[in-house]
Amino acid sequence: EPEVTQTPSHQVTQMGQEVILRCVPISNHLYFYWYRQILGQKVEFLVSFYNNEISEKSEIFDDQFSVERPDGSNFTLKIRSTKLEDSAMYFCASIQTRSEQYFGPGTRLTVT
Amino acid sequence: TQLLEQSPQFLSIQEGENLTVYCNSSSVFSSLQWYRQEPGEGPVLLVTVVTGGEVKKLKRLTFQFGDARKDSSLHITAAQPGDTGLYLCAGYNNAGNMLTFGGGTRLMVKP
Repeated sequence: EPEVTQTPSHQVTQMGQEVILRCVPISNHLYFYWYRQILGQKVEFLVSFYNNEISEKSEIFDDQFSVERPDGSNFTLKIRSTKLEDSAMYFCASIQTRSEQYFGPGTRLTVT
Repeated sequence: TQLLEQSPQFLSIQEGENLTVYCNSSSVFSSLQWYRQEPGEGPVLLVTVVTGGEVKKLKRLTFQFGDARKDSSLHITAAQPGDTGLYLCAGYNNAGNMLTFGGGTRLMVKP
């Protein structure tokens, strides 16, 4: 069964460093999403991406964040200058139609 | 901003008992989804409800979407230890490009 994959599974970085989180969505899916989940808190929407552009973003998704689909398979989330409060699980999701989202296993980002 | 409130936050019951989890909002959602999340993993979709008043069954799980599409419930019959986990509801905005999650209900079913 097709699945969303994410790499790395765990990323440790120092405050102020740039990180890129990678996702490979399901191949025939058209809509892509990033979410984050701070430990013990709810899953929060960051951004949705369709047709090579951002279609919606939340207040969390400030200028420090960017997304890119550099080729036909990868979908990346970049955080330019990480802060301690960016430590969280980051989930990528993709859908074919506007209904069932398929989530990846997540990347645990730890900022020290 | 659309918000979803789930209740209860925590639920500990004995095997064989029935339970209901609620997901409420003051906003209307175009559709609502229920997920289950295991520790360290991404949410896994259980069901999507789209029509007001819709009821869907998945074995011992029954999902209902409120008539006004502002709330939903998940009922589990004869809970089993394998049902233990975090249950999340999530709703799409009308544009269908943003999914808002509730805070989750952490269920523990004791044998």
